Amino acid sequence: DAGVIQSPRHEVTEMGQEVTLRCKPISGHNSLFWYRQTMMRGLELLIYFNNNVPIDDSGMPEDRFSAKMPNASFSTLKIQPSEPRDSAVYFCASSFSDLAKNIQYFGAGTRLSVL
Amino acid sequence: DAKTTQPNSMESNEEEPVHLPCNHSTISGTDYIHWYRQLPSQGPEYVIHGLTSNVNNRMASLAIAEDRKSSTLILHRATLRDAAVYYCILNYPGGSEKLVFGKGTKLTVNP
Repeated sequence: DAGVIQSPRHEVTEMGQEVTLRCKPISGHNSLFWYRQTMMRGLELLIYFNNNVPIDDSGMPEDRFSAKMPNASFSTLKIQPSEPRDSAVYFCASSFSDLAKNIQYFGAGTRLSVL
Repeated sequence: DAKTTQPNSMESNEEEPVHLPCNHSTISGTDYIHWYRQLPSQGPEYVIHGLTSNVNNRMASLAIAEDRKSSTLILHRATLRDAAVYYCILNYPGGSEKLVFGKGTKLTVNP
């Protein structure tokens, strides 16, 4: 299995531009998670989906952030408009929802720089 | 969410065992103890998890105290590749799937 695939790996953009991050979860997994990691705040969950439905978006910073999961094999995280404070590494993870395990598999991340 | 406490950093020598502690005094009876690690410039990866009994897998062992208020991740022979930040996380499988990552323990392995 190829694992969780994120694109792009690096993104440099200017303040005010729209940014779209993409994620392909592991085939057969039914939960998908978006995390953000910064030096100041560490690794924090933004939103997660189960069976393509958003379950918990309490970590989404503000209305500039939106996430979608149109089908079981694809999700996007969009920032519009982007700001310098959005600079971070964004990770996508997926899991097979299991009462005993909840093991999450992470992608390599997208490093976003907003100038 | 029940909280965990870990040392900020630890050091080890290559090929020696490493014991990474985690305190979770407010753990509930249904919380699983998960360990993840994050190698430099990579996403976190699952290491091991357990509920009450000690657990072993190809990566590590997890020793859980009898009262479950603490646990220890054991790397039997540290290698340079084990240098990473190790996170101890509690999760109740019947509730939210969210994992709350703390600051973890940064493990340095000396050659």
